[in-house]
Amino acid sequence: AQSVTQLDSQVPVFEEAPVELRCNYSSSVSVYLFWYVQYPNQGLQLLLKYLSGSTLVKGINGFEAEFNKSQTSFHLRKPSVHISDTAEYFCAPTGSGGYQKVTFGTGTKLQVIP
Amino acid sequence: DVKVTQSSRYLVKRTGEKVFLECVQDMDHENMFWYRQDPGLGLRLIYFSYDVKMKEKGDIPEGYSVSREKKERFSLILESASTNQTSMYLCASSLGGQTSNEQFFGPGTRLTVL
Repeated sequence: AQSVTQLDSQVPVFEEAPVELRCNYSSSVSVYLFWYVQYPNQGLQLLLKYLSGSTLVKGINGFEAEFNKSQTSFHLRKPSVHISDTAEYFCAPTGSGGYQKVTFGTGTKLQVIP
Repeated sequence: DVKVTQSSRYLVKRTGEKVFLECVQDMDHENMFWYRQDPGLGLRLIYFSYDVKMKEKGDIPEGYSVSREKKERFSLILESASTNQTSMYLCASSLGGQTSNEQFFGPGTRLTVL
């Protein structure tokens, strides 16, 4: 089973500044990695995912994440945030090979300050 | 546009009541999931189903049961609601087979048990 750590529960950042949301996972097997976003009063939606290939993954709304196998990390970045990016972000690793449960992190609340 | 709908956005029940939360998806997905979301704990899997009439326990099944009589519908049942089941409940669905398939979420039901 996977375990996942999102190191920051809240991240305040000024509008147009860059942001990095950190995610580390523990695994000794191949993994798939997801970032989901939850806007206020909504369900979660997929931001991006890493399955294989290039370690830099681009998602919706200008976000990207880099898979680092040696550091077991999958940090999410955006070079310039907007007010509309205010939301909660969840990192979610899962094992590969057949069906395996997705494990969601505890979430990071991104607060964009005007 | 793909959709997962949940029967109620807000629900208030009394301790001891039997509570039904309904979820319907229109994407012909094989997998369906019920999570509860609590501040600081992220999403925790209650039950999931990979086919009609099939169910598997998640991480926190105690106090809950589920029913999947039709492919598009997955119900969560609280046999005797308790105050510690006050939470946000999220339903999700995904294609069957590989874990690499993203999950699609409903908007959530905020349940308060008094």
